[in-house]
Formats: sequence, C-alpha cells, structure tokens
Amino acid sequence: AQSVTQLDSQVPVFEEAPVELRCNYSSSVSVYLFWYVQYPNQGLQLLLKYLSGSTLVKGINGFEAEFNKSQTSFHLRKPSVHISDTAEYFCAVSGMIKAAGNKLTFGGGTRVLVKP
Amino acid sequence: EAQVTQNPRYLITVTGKKLTVTCSQNMNHEYMSWYRQDPGLGLRQIYYSMNVEVTDKGDVPEGYKVSRKEKRNFPLILESPSPNQTSLYFCASSSGTSGRVYEQYFGPGTRLTVT
Repeated sequence: AQSVTQLDSQVPVFEEAPVELRCNYSSSVSVYLFWYVQYPNQGLQLLLKYLSGSTLVKGINGFEAEFNKSQTSFHLRKPSVHISDTAEYFCAVSGMIKAAGNKLTFGGGTRVLVKP
Repeated sequence: EAQVTQNPRYLITVTGKKLTVTCSQNMNHEYMSWYRQDPGLGLRQIYYSMNVEVTDKGDVPEGYKVSRKEKRNFPLILESPSPNQTSLYFCASSSGTSGRVYEQYFGPGTRLTVT
C-alpha cells in the first residue's frame, strides 16, 4: 500500500518569488512519482514525472522536482512564479508493478495562490 | 487527438435517482479507472478495469458500479445516489503494455451534486 502526504494545504506566494511544494510518500514497493496541476475549474494536467534515472526532473512551465529516496520525498520547485501558476497541485505515486489499473495514490493537494 | 471524454460535465440530481456518467478513450488503452476528488483528500480510486469484462474495486467503491463491455468505454453507474456522493469525478486511462509510457490520461471531470 502507498500513501502520500503534502505538507502544506495552502501556499501564498508573491509573483516572481520562488516556491517549493513539499511531498512525502510511504510505500512498501518501489514507485513512480508524479506531480499534477489543476487550474481553476479544469481537469488534471501532468507537470512532470520520475520513472528512473536522474533524480532531478524537469517539467513543463518551468517546474522541477527532486526525488530523494532516503527521505522518501519528491518536492516541487519553481524559481519564479507567475500569476498564471495559481492552481492546485497534486503529488501522486504509482507502484512499479502494473496493478490496479496503474492506480495513482494522491496527496491531499496544495493550493498555490500567487499574489501580485 | 488522444483524449479521454466524459459526459455530462455537470449534473445536479436528487437522492435515489439512478444516473450514469460515461467515459470514452481513443488511445486503445487496456486500463481505465474512475476517481473522485474531494477537498483535502485529493483523488481516490473508485473502480478500475484491466481490460474488457475485467473490473475490480478501488479504494472507495461503495455506492458505485461499473462495466467494461467495450475497450474504449467505461461508464460509472450510481444506482441510488446519496448526498455524500456529491463530488468531482475523473475518468482515466493508461496503457497496460509492458515498456509503454507509464502515465495516466485524465478526462475533463464531471461535477456531480446530489440533493
């Protein structure tokens, strides 16, 4: 079984400031890791994913995340945010063995509010 | 264009009135799932299907049914909806083929309100 904890439910940040969204996971098996973004009144969009290889993963819209196996973390960062980054962000994991329809286990989400 | 479609996008109904939310994908994916999204809880899997006629319960299956008679379609059925099923629902699909990209594709969501 897996579980995901997003440590901040809301993160207010000023425009052009950096932001970090924290994600920790627990799993008895090796996992793949994902970050999704949900803009207001829209569906889910994949920001980035870690499957293997380099632990620093770059995604769309200037986001990046670092996988830390020893700390079981996958924190998301952006060096300079824009108003358009206002959204809810979800961290998710999936077991490497294809089971339960490639089920994703999600964290509770972090709402990012970018202020001018 | 590769996509997952859901209908309806918005639905308001009353307790006990049966409803179906449709989901269709055009990527020939073997795997399909339904999730519900609730504030502070993220998304939780309701049911999933590994292929035609193969379905199983996810984490929160109570009050829901599904069927998979064709590979592209995976409808979600609420036979007697209750107010605690008011939520945002997402359908997702992914490949079951070894070596294929390991990623879920999500539909646009269906916002359901049960009064």
